[in-house]
Amino acid sequence: SYEVTQSPSVSVSPGQTARITCSGDALPNQYAYWYQQKPGQAPVLIIYKDSQRPSGIPERFSGSTSGTTVTLTISAVLAEDEADYYCQSADRGGTYWVFGGGTKLTVL
Amino acid sequence: EVQLLESGGGLVQPGGSLRLSCTASGFIFNSFAMNWVRQAPGKGLEWVSGISASGNRTYYADVVKGRFTISRDNSRQTLYIQMNSLRAEDTALYYCAKGWEVYGMDVWGQGTTVTVSS
Repeated sequence: SYEVTQSPSVSVSPGQTARITCSGDALPNQYAYWYQQKPGQAPVLIIYKDSQRPSGIPERFSGSTSGTTVTLTISAVLAEDEADYYCQSADRGGTYWVFGGGTKLTVL
Repeated sequence: EVQLLESGGGLVQPGGSLRLSCTASGFIFNSFAMNWVRQAPGKGLEWVSGISASGNRTYYADVVKGRFTISRDNSRQTLYIQMNSLRAEDTALYYCAKGWEVYGMDVWGQGTTVTVSS
């Protein structure tokens, strides 16, 4: 098996920048993906292949990578960004997918 | 419109079996890998299983390997997962998700609920 690790929670005020990190040994070799999930809703893909944004995702969402850590950055946070955020990747062999435990973003 | 619709969830006793289905529409089903992801009540997302576009390669999380079998019928645009030897810890909302850009998942259904309880 394989695991990626996220911090459980992040809190920011509206207009500030939120950074959510995800760590895993295989991240230097495998792409990371980020999902947003609001209560009662299915997850939504917001970043793919480390830093690409699907169409329709606001530019304030960005992704970056450095070694074994990937980071989701949300600039100028809005109240509507309050949600759970999950990173996802795969093991070195690409045969075992994994989600991080999720980070709850609270907008104060 | 791209859509995924899961069905087949329900209440089952420990040790029992259930088969979930996911019907796809609005995209070329046989061009994309597909996945099952579950979410236990109040918990995070957990990848369960994946299958290649043609169906010749399948992948499983350790916790379901040997008990669950993923399959697809491209002629019916339908994804399946056969779940045997169900345990209380398999209780969850089960989502199917369309594969995107190597390991990502860009389209999700609304999920079907599986409850394992006596």
